[in-house]
Amino acid sequence: QVQLVESGGGLVKPGGSLRLSCVASGLTLRNRYMAWIRQAPGKGLEWLSYIYSDYTDTKYADSVRGRFTISRDNAKNSLFLQMNSLRVEDTAVYYCVTGPEIRLPQFWGQGTQVTVSS
Amino acid sequence: DVVMTQSPLSLLVTQGQPASISCRSSHGLVYPDDGKAYLNWFHQKPGQSPRRLIYKVSARDSGVPDRFSGRGAGTDFTLEISRVEAEDVGVYYCMQGTHWPWTFGQGTKLEIK
Repeated sequence: QVQLVESGGGLVKPGGSLRLSCVASGLTLRNRYMAWIRQAPGKGLEWLSYIYSDYTDTKYADSVRGRFTISRDNAKNSLFLQMNSLRVEDTAVYYCVTGPEIRLPQFWGQGTQVTVSS
Repeated sequence: DVVMTQSPLSLLVTQGQPASISCRSSHGLVYPDDGKAYLNWFHQKPGQSPRRLIYKVSARDSGVPDRFSGRGAGTDFTLEISRVEAEDVGVYYCMQGTHWPWTFGQGTKLEIK
C-alpha cells in the first residue's frame, strides 16, 4: 500500500522559512517524478513544483519560483520543499504527490498545514 | 496559464439520480509528444486529500465505481455519475497536465438532497 507522509508544517511569520518533508512507503521513488501541490483555505488546488529522480527535470510555478526549492533524497525515499521569504498568501495545506506519470498525480499524502501570520 | 472552468459550481442531487459536471479549458489539452489529453478528475471529501477518479479523460482508476465516467475532447470535458450515492458528496476537480503550470478547475460541490 502506497503511503506518503508529509511533515514540517507550522506557524511562521511573514518573511520566515520552513522546510517540508515527505516520506514514501510502499513504493520506490527512484526513477519517479514527485511534486508539491497546495490548497489555500476554502480555495482550490495549485501545482507548485515537480522534480525528477536525477534532478534533470525540475519546474516551479511563478508564484514560488525563487523562494521555494524542491529537492529529494532517493536513498531515504524522501521529498523536500524549502520555503523561504514566506508570505501570508502561502498559507495552505501542502500535499506531496507522485504516480507512474506525474501529469496524472495518483498518490497523495494527507497534507501538512502551513500558516504564515504575524 | 491554462484556465480550467467548471460548471456548475454547486450541485444538489437526489440520491439515485444522475449528475454531470462540465470542465472547459482555455487551451486544447492534447500533448504534442504523444497525442493524448492529460485531463484528470479528482474527488475530495471534507478533511481528506483529493482522490483521483479518472485520468486521460476517460480511464477509471482501480476501485472507482463504474457509475463514474469521463468523456470529452479538445477543450470540453465532462464527468458523469450515473446514479449518485451518499458517499459521492464532496468537491470534484478537473485538472489538466498538458501545459505547465498544470492547473485545476475551481471545483464543484456535490450535495445530496
